[in-house]
Amino acid sequence: GAGVSQTPSNKVTEKGKYVELRCDPISGHTALYWYRQSLGQGPEFLIYFQGTGAADDSGLPNDRFFAVRPEGSVSTLKIQRTERGDSAVYLCASSSDRGSGANVLTFGAGSRLTVL
Amino acid sequence: AQKITQTQPGMFVQEKEAVTLDCTYDTSDQSYGLFWYKQPSSGEMIFLIYQGSYDEQNATEGRYSLNFQKARKSANLVISASQLGDSAMYFCAMRGIRTGGTSYGKLTFGQGTILTVHP
Repeated sequence: GAGVSQTPSNKVTEKGKYVELRCDPISGHTALYWYRQSLGQGPEFLIYFQGTGAADDSGLPNDRFFAVRPEGSVSTLKIQRTERGDSAVYLCASSSDRGSGANVLTFGAGSRLTVL
Repeated sequence: AQKITQTQPGMFVQEKEAVTLDCTYDTSDQSYGLFWYKQPSSGEMIFLIYQGSYDEQNATEGRYSLNFQKARKSANLVISASQLGDSAMYFCAMRGIRTGGTSYGKLTFGQGTILTVHP
């Protein structure tokens, strides 16, 4: 696709429920990133994929958070037993990660998660 | 480890004037890239400008320029001739660069500066 696509754009759920957020990166981009952004804050790194594998998952806050990218393209961020503190905008980005230090991360519009 | 510090929570500027948004960084990487993004109230993250740590000249992109002072570990964004549409949150970010010049790893962001342009 022309840009990074994230679905759903908005998700309201109840505390304790399971949530999946999807990211469809720019075609051909090998690297995919998930960030979380709270209101008025900078994006906080969660996990980074290079191809199908998680190259760095050091930002995942706890074992309720999990992400997959089984075919090296679309990624799903999964949150189990959601808590009110998980409410945030979840941003996905992709980049080509080849040939240049200036590989720019292109971001999607984000998925706004509200946990009631 | 990388750290970005943006010490200005908010900045105000008159339309058509220039404004500087501050960014300092810390990293153990020998080579690294510095980025600025703009985030309007609509929420999308828009890439503005990039500076490599090995670049001898400061980067420029239209009305945006990056005042890179490596010894001071600063990478300030200068916006010339401010426009009302420049009102947004601005983020400074960095990531490492491998020997050979390819970038790697996560992009680390600062806390952002809210810029308000007055008519």
